[in-house]
Amino acid sequence: QQQVKQSPQSLIVQKGGISIINCAYENTAFDYFPWYQQFPGKGPALLIAIRPDVSEKKEGRFTISFNKSAKQFSLHIMDSQPGDSATYFCAAIANSGGYQKVTFGIGTKLQVIP
Amino acid sequence: NAGVTQTPKFRVLKTGQSMTLLCAQDMNHEYMYWYRQDPGMGLRLIHYSVGEGTTAKGEVPDGYNVSRLKKQNFLLGLESAAPSQTSVYFCASSGQHWYQSSYNSPLHFGNGTRLTVT
Repeated sequence: QQQVKQSPQSLIVQKGGISIINCAYENTAFDYFPWYQQFPGKGPALLIAIRPDVSEKKEGRFTISFNKSAKQFSLHIMDSQPGDSATYFCAAIANSGGYQKVTFGIGTKLQVIP
Repeated sequence: NAGVTQTPKFRVLKTGQSMTLLCAQDMNHEYMYWYRQDPGMGLRLIHYSVGEGTTAKGEVPDGYNVSRLKKQNFLLGLESAAPSQTSVYFCASSGQHWYQSSYNSPLHFGNGTRLTVT
């Protein structure tokens, strides 16, 4: 049972374009939503994260949009660059007995072509 | 600081063989996790530990065992490897307790171990 649904699984974007990755969740206990970026041969690394009391968070070219009522959130990469080519995972976190229970989406492989 | 270090980086096993994956972190983190990553499945939690001497089952624990004898180390064992355990395994650690973290305790991942079971 996929608790965090992520789409698309793969994405090809021209350099300078906007990359958009979407995620949806069901569990209303989730209350923190990070995005992780993974380059080939490396482990995922935190890219940007948002709390549910905020509708948008921007860090440089990366923006998270959050729609609490629809239980959806998305990552926008503006002015996409070849160096952004990586796999992106959305995640949702719930407090579970004092530790973070992290549920990941299945990942989106982004390729930015020159 | 090295962060999270996993050994080995690659391993090929035959069905029925056993092995141990080692994870070490130098960030004094309380929490440690083992994930497996498979195409189309994302990252799935195998086992985790909330402190030295503790372990707990995650989403896909069958066929694996873990130990956390020292705070900085988290070992993942496969007693009798099966082809279904072919995967990339990631160890991660995180710091502050959830209720203290103010949302500032991300997972720190190692670079993974690619395991093939034939």
